[in-house]
Amino acid sequence: GQQVMQIPQYQHVQEGEDFTTYCNSSTTLSNIQWYKQRPGGHPVFLIQLVKSGEVKKQKRLTFQFGEAKKNSSLHITATQTTDVGTYFCAGLTGGGNKLTFGTGTQLKVEL
Amino acid sequence: ETGVTQTPRHLVMGMTNKKSLKCEQHLGHNAMYWYKQSAKKPLELMFVYNFKEQTENNSVPSRFSPECPNSSHLFLHLHTLQPEDSALYLCASSQRTSGAYNEQFFGPGTRLTVL
Repeated sequence: GQQVMQIPQYQHVQEGEDFTTYCNSSTTLSNIQWYKQRPGGHPVFLIQLVKSGEVKKQKRLTFQFGEAKKNSSLHITATQTTDVGTYFCAGLTGGGNKLTFGTGTQLKVEL
Repeated sequence: ETGVTQTPRHLVMGMTNKKSLKCEQHLGHNAMYWYKQSAKKPLELMFVYNFKEQTENNSVPSRFSPECPNSSHLFLHLHTLQPEDSALYLCASSQRTSGAYNEQFFGPGTRLTVL
């Protein structure tokens, strides 16, 4: 079945450093979504990418969708303590009726 | 507050008990989902309901029985669970348009412990 892997599994950074998480799918995706889950919370939708090579920005967050639509990345510039949490990518395949979540990257930001 | 509520928030049950988890969405969405989130594992999709019809059963054991009486309510009936079923159970909803599912809105989850 489809697998969606993320690396790294964990990342500790100092506040102000940049952070990147990478998402790789075993199959071509129709689109990809990113979610953030704060400690003790539930996943919250961040963004959806649909087009090959698409790049979207939300303030300090930059999202990319690979040309082959099999990988994606999330980059955070100058991390803040509010960025703490686990970031999940989630890929939609085929007719877009099944969302497969990645393994997640847990981000910790230290002062 | 995402517009998706779940009760109870915490549940402790024995392996012989029968209990139910409830989810309600106030967003007017037409699709609802059950996910299981265990420590050190990715979110696992369990069931998908589209317009009250089950469209996905991700090889879930029969001790988990979903019910969707209408597009706003979703239940997960539990019976004879195992300790390894202890996890956070998340409900989500989304609006399906043109054959694709859009962003999902998650509820706060039910933390289940099976003794």
